[in-house]
Amino acid sequence: DQQVKQNSPSLSVQEGRISILNCDYTNSMFDYFLWYKKYPAEGPTFLISISSIKDKNEDGRFTVFLNKSAKHLSLHIVPSQPGDSAVYFCAAGFTGGGNKLTFGTGTQLKVEL
Amino acid sequence: ETGVTQTPRHLVMGMTNKKSLKCEQHLGHNAMYWYKQSAKKPLELMFVYNFKEQTENNSVPSRFSPECPNSSHLFLHLHTLQPEDSALYLCASSQDTQDRGRGTEAFFGQGTRLTVV
Repeated sequence: DQQVKQNSPSLSVQEGRISILNCDYTNSMFDYFLWYKKYPAEGPTFLISISSIKDKNEDGRFTVFLNKSAKHLSLHIVPSQPGDSAVYFCAAGFTGGGNKLTFGTGTQLKVEL
Repeated sequence: ETGVTQTPRHLVMGMTNKKSLKCEQHLGHNAMYWYKQSAKKPLELMFVYNFKEQTENNSVPSRFSPECPNSSHLFLHLHTLQPEDSALYLCASSQDTQDRGRGTEAFFGQGTRLTVV
C-alpha cells in the first residue's frame, strides 16, 4: 500500500508556463514533506520542503502548497524552463520517525521550447 | 571531492557471485542510508545507520548485508542475488536521524545500476 502517491507519471509544459506537480498521501502521521529532483544518471537532489505547520513555502521559482485536510501537496514551478525537465519525487516523513522518508513514484516533467 | 559518491556506477553480476557496493560521503554527516529503486516503483528504504549503528532494517532479505565501518563509508555486500533484485541502489546521507519536525533533507549519490543475470 503506497502511502505517498504521484498519480501522474509524466507532465509536459511549454517554456515560460506554470508546471504543477501533484502528490497525495494517506498517512496522517506525516508532518513534513520534501520534493526532490532527479536528472538521468544522477541521484535525487533536494529541492524544497514544507512542514505541516505551514500551507505554503516559496523558494524562487518553486512553491510548495500543502492542503492537510485533503492530504495533498503540489509543487508549482513558475516560469518553467527547459532545465527543469527531470523526474520529481515527492517524499514525506514524520517527527519521531528517525528521519526516514517515504517516496512517491515520481513524475517526469518535460519543459518544451 | 564533495557530496556522496557511489561505486561502481554499473554492475552486472551472476546469481552465484559476491559483490559489494560502496558509498562515501564528504559532508560530515552522521547518518547514512541505502535505498532501492525498482522500475515503476518508489524509492524503498532498505537500511539506516546513525553514528555507525544500524537503526533500521526494513525487512531486507539476508542476501543484502550492509556494513558501516565509520560515519563516512557505507557498503552493501551482495551474495546469491535473484534477477528481481536488479534495480538502482542509492546511498544517501543526512546530518543525523534526529527529527527536528521539519525534515532534514538527505543528500543522495548517483546510484549503482545493478543487473543480476
